[in-house]
Amino acid sequence: DADVTQTPRNRITKTGKRIMLECSQTKGHDRMYWYRQDPGLGLQLIYYSFDVKDINKGEISDGYSVSRQAQAKFSLSLESAIPNQTALYFCATSAGQGPHTDTQYFGPGTRLTVL
Amino acid sequence: AQSVAQPEDQVNVAEGNPLTVKCTYSVSGNPYLFWYVQYPNRGLQFLLKYITGDNLVKGSYGFEAEFNKSQTSFHLKKPSALVSDSALYFCAVDDKIIFGKGTRLHILP
Repeated sequence: DADVTQTPRNRITKTGKRIMLECSQTKGHDRMYWYRQDPGLGLQLIYYSFDVKDINKGEISDGYSVSRQAQAKFSLSLESAIPNQTALYFCATSAGQGPHTDTQYFGPGTRLTVL
Repeated sequence: AQSVAQPEDQVNVAEGNPLTVKCTYSVSGNPYLFWYVQYPNRGLQFLLKYITGDNLVKGSYGFEAEFNKSQTSFHLKKPSALVSDSALYFCAVDDKIIFGKGTRLHILP
């Protein structure tokens, strides 16, 4: 079984709808991340969490929120989806000490289309 | 501002030739440096990392990377390219968790 799973894998929704993307990991890591990928822009960090009680905004958090339900689960929500949130979304997990983040393990991605 | 630059959007290399994918960074302190690879319709996979020590780091699939502190570079290299190396490659630093925009590598048969 995959170490990092994401559901759903594909989602088409309409402007204004609320969407939740879910991520689970079996690596036993404390740190989890949400990224979006757009062609030519690489990966942009949306939110990250270094443990269950720690949530931090990334470089593009506007329009998104997250919930860390357990060490193994980290959900991303779009409260009111808009078309420019159409992208590929990745969850990742890592070990780490203090300010340093170690190797990240990525899920397979969720392709989200907002019409 | 802290940043990671991959100056080439695409690199084309003939199979069997050596390849280099460039990465430079502008980050304070001594960050960890990483290379990841993404195959079509897949998530990113770890290739190699530099934390400290020997400037030449060896990783998966025959790839290696050379850390150069004075030039703040971390270029990815492979002595002999394979068609199966064709993919999207990302350089990353762990300070503020910044990724480069990616370089698409095409290995020509």
